[in-house]
Amino acid sequence: SQTIHQWPATLVQPVGSPLSLECTVEGTSNPNLYWYRQAAGRGLQLLFYSVGIGQISSEVPQNLSASRPQDRQFILSSKKLLLSDSGFYLCAWSAYRGRAGELFFGEGSRLTVL
Amino acid sequence: QQPVQSPQAVILREGEDAVINCSSSKALYSVHWYRQKHGEAPVFLMILLKGGEQKGHDKISASFNEKKQQSSLYLTASQLSYSGTYFCGTEDYGGSQGNLIFGKGTKLSVKP
Repeated sequence: SQTIHQWPATLVQPVGSPLSLECTVEGTSNPNLYWYRQAAGRGLQLLFYSVGIGQISSEVPQNLSASRPQDRQFILSSKKLLLSDSGFYLCAWSAYRGRAGELFFGEGSRLTVL
Repeated sequence: QQPVQSPQAVILREGEDAVINCSSSKALYSVHWYRQKHGEAPVFLMILLKGGEQKGHDKISASFNEKKQQSSLYLTASQLSYSGTYFCGTEDYGGSQGNLIFGKGTKLSVKP
């Protein structure tokens, strides 16, 4: 069966520090991968998506970046965190190509920037 | 463009019914519904692909009115386990294929 792992679960970082959140998927090949952010009152905001290794598309301009070094690994990074980067970050995968299909979410990473 | 969900929050007693609406300003290819319990990841409920399509499992069902560019989620005889935040995700014809834009969510609280 397929599983998705995301870490760390919780982190508190000072403003200006770097960030790295990691997500891996097991049990499937060539998944679509997504990073969402959930901030209070804003719902689920799509940040990045990837249809293959090295292929990253960004939905919103920001100081975050994403990379997909391996087929089932998706990394969210920042060189310098802002207060506004605080939130609940969710990685998700989907098996569908073309049109949207069922998303399977990781357990999330709660980031607090102080 | 982000779909609009209404109401923002609803409080029910066990056994009562609720309707959550999701509307978009764009022509929709599909509507997806997810439920998220506090502190957990969202969980998929259902996808509606065709105008007029209705789906359901257990006592949760949904409809999709393609012409009106809206969908409704129906929770019948609510149970305590239905509590959580419900999100609709929409995929329109003009957007990036395969990507969902989620609404802000509707927080549902079911009391005993």
